[in-house]
Amino acid sequence: SSELTQDPAVSVALGQTVRITCQGDSLRSYYASWYQQKPGQAPVLVIYGKNNRPSGIPDRFSGSSSGNTASLTITGAQAEDEADYYCNSRDSSGNHPRVFGGGTKLTVL
Amino acid sequence: QVQLVESGGGLVKPGGSLRLSCAASGFTFSDYYMSWIRQAPGKGLEWVSYISSSGSTIYYADSVKGRFTISRDNAKNSLYLQMNSLRAEDTAVYYCVRHLAVAGDFDYWGQGTLVTVSS
Repeated sequence: SSELTQDPAVSVALGQTVRITCQGDSLRSYYASWYQQKPGQAPVLVIYGKNNRPSGIPDRFSGSSSGNTASLTITGAQAEDEADYYCNSRDSSGNHPRVFGGGTKLTVL
Repeated sequence: QVQLVESGGGLVKPGGSLRLSCAASGFTFSDYYMSWIRQAPGKGLEWVSYISSSGSTIYYADSVKGRFTISRDNAKNSLYLQMNSLRAEDTAVYYCVRHLAVAGDFDYWGQGTLVTVSS
């Protein structure tokens, strides 16, 4: 199956901008979606498609894609944004509908 | 509002079986593709299995193929995961998840049910 690669950990100062990336061959053909997971909670969809936010997701979250890399950008990070973030996309091999990245732990300093 | 409530988790010995259920409400269950996704303690998310809205199309992760069976009952608004020949590495929180579109992104997640495989 396809693989999606994420940096294990990223940090950002409060109020600054941070970009979390996800790399994989399938991203040349399909958009990534992004999920936020806080400790002890189920993941929450924050970005899907080209750059769509579900209802209730703050507009400081945005998504973009270039080549084999998808990015989640948080503009003006808040303390409550500290969480694990996972990317997900279709599996270009066709054997599995979806594949996850390994996750990025975001720390807000 | 959309609700997905998992049940059926618990402690089981290696080689044993368990059946997970997911009760869906707040939407037309028969219109949506569904998946099970799991998360081992302290680890990342792993997609496990997927079923189309009618139940005619099913996929499994290689790690569970031949041991797990996904099914649904649209009349009962319920999703199931029959897990056989369980291994220690199947220990995880199992989430019932709705797809936004055909094989698309996951827009609603249940709170999960913990499966522990241990002797």
